[in-house]
Amino acid sequence: DTEVTQTPKHLVMGMTNKKSLKCEQHMGHRAMYWYKQKAKKPPELMFVYSYEKLSINESVPSRFSPECPNSSLLNLHLHALQPEDSALYLCASSQTGVSYEQYFGPGTRLTVT
Amino acid sequence: GENVEQHPSTLSVQEGDSAVIKCTYSDSASNYFPWYKQELGKRPQLIIDIRSNVGEKKDQRIAVTLNKTAKHFSLHITETQPEDSAVYFCASRMEYGNKLVFGAGTILRVKS
Repeated sequence: DTEVTQTPKHLVMGMTNKKSLKCEQHMGHRAMYWYKQKAKKPPELMFVYSYEKLSINESVPSRFSPECPNSSLLNLHLHALQPEDSALYLCASSQTGVSYEQYFGPGTRLTVT
Repeated sequence: GENVEQHPSTLSVQEGDSAVIKCTYSDSASNYFPWYKQELGKRPQLIIDIRSNVGEKKDQRIAVTLNKTAKHFSLHITETQPEDSAVYFCASRMEYGNKLVFGAGTILRVKS
């Protein structure tokens, strides 16, 4: 299985809502990533987990809270978001060590109203 | 930190022609350089990558070249087809890091 899955595909939420994005992979990868992508822009790294520990936080606002419950799952908890947070949120995974390829999931299209 | 510049931002070619996209990077410690293709509404997909111990890599109509001295790498697509139309992103990564730094992207349009 060489696929990263993400749920939901689309999410519309108000600024006072709390929601979660989910990501799953069964490739045995020990590094997992959250990216934010605006239209016609490159993915922007938000968080990296390595061996279920947070290894990189790219100064992301605290209204985004990542969680890695186990080596196959990655969550992104959302609370009190702003309209400018509307974007495509991509999850990715990779091996650590010498094999660098990152596999991206299909993304969650988030709209904050 | 690492910075990756990508040119051109848009590229239009006639079907069957070649397309070349160029990227430069700033950190000499970078040693892995992937290229991703992203079609509208879809995920970025790796199309080819190169590591710093080689100068060129080919996969059918796609090739990547790397000049470590000049710190630039290029994507070459030959015999372009309409399905090659997409946004292409280059990226770089350091040997012991997990972080990919992306270029700004190139919108490639192949006209039939």
